[in-house]
Amino acid sequence: DTAVSQTPKYLVTQMGNDKSIKCEQNLGHDTMYWYKQDSKKFLKIMFSYNNKELIINETVPNRFSPKSPDKAHLNLHINSLELGDSAVYFCASSHISASHNEQFFGPGTRLTVL
Amino acid sequence: GESVGLHLPTLSVQEGDNSIINCAYSNSASDYFIWYKQESGKGPQFIIDIRSNMDKRQGQRVTVLLNKTVKHLSLQIAATQPGDSAVYFCAENIPGNQFYFGTGTSLTVIP
Repeated sequence: DTAVSQTPKYLVTQMGNDKSIKCEQNLGHDTMYWYKQDSKKFLKIMFSYNNKELIINETVPNRFSPKSPDKAHLNLHINSLELGDSAVYFCASSHISASHNEQFFGPGTRLTVL
Repeated sequence: GESVGLHLPTLSVQEGDNSIINCAYSNSASDYFIWYKQESGKGPQFIIDIRSNMDKRQGQRVTVLLNKTVKHLSLQIAATQPGDSAVYFCAENIPGNQFYFGTGTSLTVIP
């Protein structure tokens, strides 16, 4: 009965590979997000999706592409992985029409690029 | 992105004492603020929020204070417990639903 789940929890891969991280929420929220957390714990928003539309796209390389098959899922696909992509990636969801649109976070995916 | 900074990157307190974690934000248009707690190996977890039309909000053992004049936010934890040890983030929301997080403060509770 996990609210926001991500798979895999750990991902180790070689430079140049393509990988995907999956995210699912069962809270009925209308907006989902991807964040990147670096080694200094800084959390930076990458994308958000609302009703299957991209509404925020920060200055993220186009090697990163969010894919939302439905309102409950927002997957992150990364092409041509680079060393600097190593980080923890968090998925989150919220209901932006609510009076308090707190975001619920998943457990994170630790990506290590070798 | 917008800058959301914290004055103290690390904080150590004795068990039972009160903790105060500070945060500065830069965008005067921010209208909603959240404090999150992140334990090791886990995602951030909501603690308490406050809207810009309020100065203070209290929860269970936690209080958030907002000073819009100096763009300052603080989180007060009463009677700090070992389970409060974590990294604490403030986040500001700019209308349009853009959230920006600070770098975090690591709180260590000494038994």
